[in-house]
Amino acid sequence: DAKTTQPPSMDCAEGRAANLPCNHSTISGNEYVYWYRQIHSQGPQYIIHGLKNNETNEMASLIITEDRKSSTLILPHATLRDTAVYYCIVRVARQVYNQGGKLIFGQGTELSVKP
Amino acid sequence: NAGVTQTPKFQVLKTGQSMTLQCAQDMNHNSMYWYRQDPGMGLRLIYYSASEGTTDKGEVPNGYNVSRLNKREFSLRLESAAPSQTSVYFCASTLLGTNEKLFFGSGTQLSVL
Repeated sequence: DAKTTQPPSMDCAEGRAANLPCNHSTISGNEYVYWYRQIHSQGPQYIIHGLKNNETNEMASLIITEDRKSSTLILPHATLRDTAVYYCIVRVARQVYNQGGKLIFGQGTELSVKP
Repeated sequence: NAGVTQTPKFQVLKTGQSMTLQCAQDMNHNSMYWYRQDPGMGLRLIYYSASEGTTDKGEVPNGYNVSRLNKREFSLRLESAAPSQTSVYFCASTLLGTNEKLFFGSGTQLSVL
């Protein structure tokens, strides 16, 4: 699975959009981009994932560049409760029952949303 | 649905003691994982089980053993605990396919004195 690079920390003003970048320059054609977040001392929480098209759900939007070498997670109106560590992961999605593989988390980006 | 349940939530051990961390999921997921997280660090994969009956090493397997007891349960055993194993342990599970969301438990905080 491809390696990812994220900035160690970012700040964002409450109510503004938070844009979290992730570099995955060695991504393969069949690897998906996943985003998770971890609020202090809790288990990580799934946010969103995508292959090559931009994706949006109730939590966030995911923008993947055309060459798929980088992506951006967008929290459109950040709140204090969005303060967390955000992890970007790339991996192959396995469709065969016994081919599940390991999921490797990097260091993530610590997002601080400030009033 | 309880999701992913980990027991115990907290544990203190003395060096050399053994213990088993339990994890159970009620979502009929194929794959299960054990991660550890140390202060200021991300999650590191210890062991995983792609499907019932299989287990594989992750990034940091030394000092641990695992058992995939059945489809629901995946336990992590410390045979002889060491202070370096003081950490927060997270269990996770996922259903294989194109939408492989990981679901995490709430963690076990382990201190080895």
